[in-house]
Amino acid sequence: ELKVEQNPLFLSMQEGKNYTIYCNYSTTSDRLYWYRQDPGKSLESLFVLLSNGAVKQEGRLMASLDTKARLSTLHITAAVHDLSATYFCAVVQETSGSRLTFGEGTQLTVNP
Amino acid sequence: DAGVTQSPTHLIKTRGQQVTLRCSPISGHKSVSWYQQVLGQGPQFIFQYYEKEERGRGNFPDRFSARQFPNYSSELNVNALLLGDSALYLCASSLTRQGLNEKLFFGSGTQLSVL
Repeated sequence: ELKVEQNPLFLSMQEGKNYTIYCNYSTTSDRLYWYRQDPGKSLESLFVLLSNGAVKQEGRLMASLDTKARLSTLHITAAVHDLSATYFCAVVQETSGSRLTFGEGTQLTVNP
Repeated sequence: DAGVTQSPTHLIKTRGQQVTLRCSPISGHKSVSWYQQVLGQGPQFIFQYYEKEERGRGNFPDRFSARQFPNYSSELNVNALLLGDSALYLCASSLTRQGLNEKLFFGSGTQLSVL
């Protein structure tokens, strides 16, 4: 059974600081997604990572994938308050079509 | 273009009742998936439908059922509701069943409360 673990689960940081969220998964996967969720809202797609060594950046967020280590990171650079949200990684198991297995989520709070 | 639309947005039911949730995928998308998100947790996969056939089922009891219509819209039915069924139910659509570079697009969800 595919398991996805994120850490930390809660993250409080100051504006302007950098931090990294980690996502570990237990079995081989050919796709990894990062999503953002604001309170009471749906999931907003941030990144799709397909191959070992893939790196994608959008604004202050950068995601990377190491398929050998079964690890993805979401790096936040110079955080701003607007980044406060819950971030989920989700993994697709190779044989499961487009079925996503989500991590528990990282609740990020950026303080002024 | 409209995104994934779900209805209703909120629903309150009592234990033992039945509920039907509806989802319209993005125009041209043929795959619809359903997820349950309990407060404070990540979404959990319930069903995937592609071309009107069930293509995957998560670890949910038989009280949960779904179907996909010829226009690719979908319904999720839950019978004999339990308090633990209270959650945000999310529908996601994609163009195909297994597109490597595809994103899953999620609707805004239906918030179900079971009293």
